Parts: sequence; C-alpha cells; structure tokens
Amino acid sequence: DAGITQSPRYKITETGRQVTLMCHQTWSHSYMFWYRQDLGHGLRLIYYSAAADITDKGEVPDGYVVSRSKTENFPLTLESATRSQTSVYFCGTTEGNEQFFGPGTRLTVL
Amino acid sequence: QKEVEQDPGPLSVPEGAIVSLNCTYSNSAFQYFMWYRQYSRKGPELLMYTYSSGNKEDGRFTAQVDKSSKYISLFIRDSQPSDSATYLCAMSEGDFQKLVFGTGTRLLVSP
Repeated sequence: DAGITQSPRYKITETGRQVTLMCHQTWSHSYMFWYRQDLGHGLRLIYYSAAADITDKGEVPDGYVVSRSKTENFPLTLESATRSQTSVYFCGTTEGNEQFFGPGTRLTVL
Repeated sequence: QKEVEQDPGPLSVPEGAIVSLNCTYSNSAFQYFMWYRQYSRKGPELLMYTYSSGNKEDGRFTAQVDKSSKYISLFIRDSQPSDSATYLCAMSEGDFQKLVFGTGTRLLVSP
C-alpha cells in the first residue's frame, strides 16, 4: 500500500547533465502532478497531467519535460540541469479535491 | 507581490497552547482553501479543506475563511509536540490541478 513512490530520493548531478526523476502511483488516479519546493517560494507547480498522454504546463515549466505513457507513471526530465534547478521535487496525484504527495526527491545540481 | 502570503515563522509555543496560523491572498477568484501539514523530509498531507467563506472544525483543528478580507486561518487547540511541522495554506479557483501554495509556517510545540 505504498501509494506514491519517487526515485531516486536523493540525487547529485552536474550542470548540463540530463536527469530523470521517477514517479509511480499504486492507485489508478487520472490526475498527476509535479511541484518543486524552494525556501521562500513554497511549492510551485511544474507540470500536471489529466490522463495518459495528456500533459499541461504549470507555473514554472521551463527546463523540464514530462511524459505519461502509462497512467501509473509520470517521469520528470531535466534536459540540461542548471544550478537553479536544485530543489526538492514532489510528485503526486489528485483525487476529487485532495492532492496526495509522494515523499520527494532532493536534487542538487553542482 | 505573491498571490498568497504566509509568515514563515518559526512559531514556538508550549504544549497545550492554542495556535493560530494565517494566510492572506490577493486573488478574489479563489474559492477553495486548504491547509496541508508537512513533516520534515516528507511530502505535504491534506489537513483541512474549506469551500468559500465560513468555519470548519475537525477535532482540535478549525479552519476559517474570510473572503471579504482575503484572509484564512487555521487554529489548533491543545497543541501537542506531534503538531510540530510546517503548515502550508493552498488555494484554488476551482481547478484542483492548479493549487497556489503559501510558503509555509514552521510550528514548534515544546513539551
């Protein structure tokens, strides 16, 4: 009964490298999302998805790519990582009026 | 100016105290108001949800929304050390895929 899992939980990478953060749900919720959390900014929406093969931009999508070929997975890719993308990333699902968050991935870009 | 403003704290109180956490907002189109609790190194979890103005009570927690003042509050009665966490307010115009979060207030309840 894991709900939402994220991997890796911690990642250190270098500027310019491609990084993919994984998100998996054990339910079959249609809606999934990615937020980043930074001091002074709180949680900001990067991308969300209403269903498989349907994605849309949030508040801060630049530098990120998402895909959703299966309902249960919603990976987030940083095509060329920058230091400003150092953050904690949360994925999750929405069911009705409630959002369920995963445990987060702490990403450091050197 | 941010759409949602929240004092980052930390707010330190003794066990048993009544805690008041607040957010102000600028977007009059917000209709849904939520409070999330986030423990250290964990994801946020929904605590309270309110539609439009009014009060909602759930155990030791009470959420209040004053749309005329664009002000929401979360009250915690008989606070416990286990309430120590960061509390995030969040708001939506109606699309629950697009929540706007406050920065969070860190609460510390000492035994």
